[in-house]
Amino acid sequence: GENVEQHPSTLSVQEGDSAVIKCTYSDSASNYFPWYKQELGKRPQLIIDIRSNVGEKKDQRIAVTLNKTAKHFSLHITETQPEDSAVYFCAASKRQGAQKLVFGQGTRLTINP
Amino acid sequence: SAVISQKPSRDICQRGTSLTIQCQVDSQVTMMFWYRQQPGQSLTLIATANQGSEATYESGFVIDKFPISRPNLTFSTLTVSNMSPEDSSIYLCSATGANTEAFFGQGTRLTVV
Repeated sequence: GENVEQHPSTLSVQEGDSAVIKCTYSDSASNYFPWYKQELGKRPQLIIDIRSNVGEKKDQRIAVTLNKTAKHFSLHITETQPEDSAVYFCAASKRQGAQKLVFGQGTRLTINP
Repeated sequence: SAVISQKPSRDICQRGTSLTIQCQVDSQVTMMFWYRQQPGQSLTLIATANQGSEATYESGFVIDKFPISRPNLTFSTLTVSNMSPEDSSIYLCSATGANTEAFFGQGTRLTVV
């Protein structure tokens, strides 16, 4: 089955700097890759996603890149703010809305003022 | 976007007893899932709740321990049976429609004493 590896497990950056979180997946049939943000005590919430027919997607300060050949995808957050502090999870699925999500281990991001 | 109501939000239970968690979605969805999340850990899929038929369980999870029902498109229950302290965790319901993102309930924090 699918296996998703996520790095780093913790990340601390200065406010205003950029943060990058990386994930690799094992199943070449996976073609949908969402990123979720989970604040303490809250439910995971989707922040951005990408499908395999796209190499990059951007939404304001957040971007995701995908390399299907290498089977890895990354989350980029620019101009980080204190409210970006949370745990971020990557995930992979064979088809959005119709297949289960397999999650990475999570990255605890801390933004230092 | 779909809204998922999950209850109870938390419970403290005696070992050997069972707890049933309910998940209600405000719109029709195609897929419903149940996850477990240990404190500080990632989301682990327990099973896919199939409407009108037996759930599909992931490796390491069995129907006798985690019976699941899904009588219609918008409602599902997860029962944690014969509980032990090792079952203490957060249980999350998730739902997705065709070609839509996966949404999560607010979670049920279970403590077994």
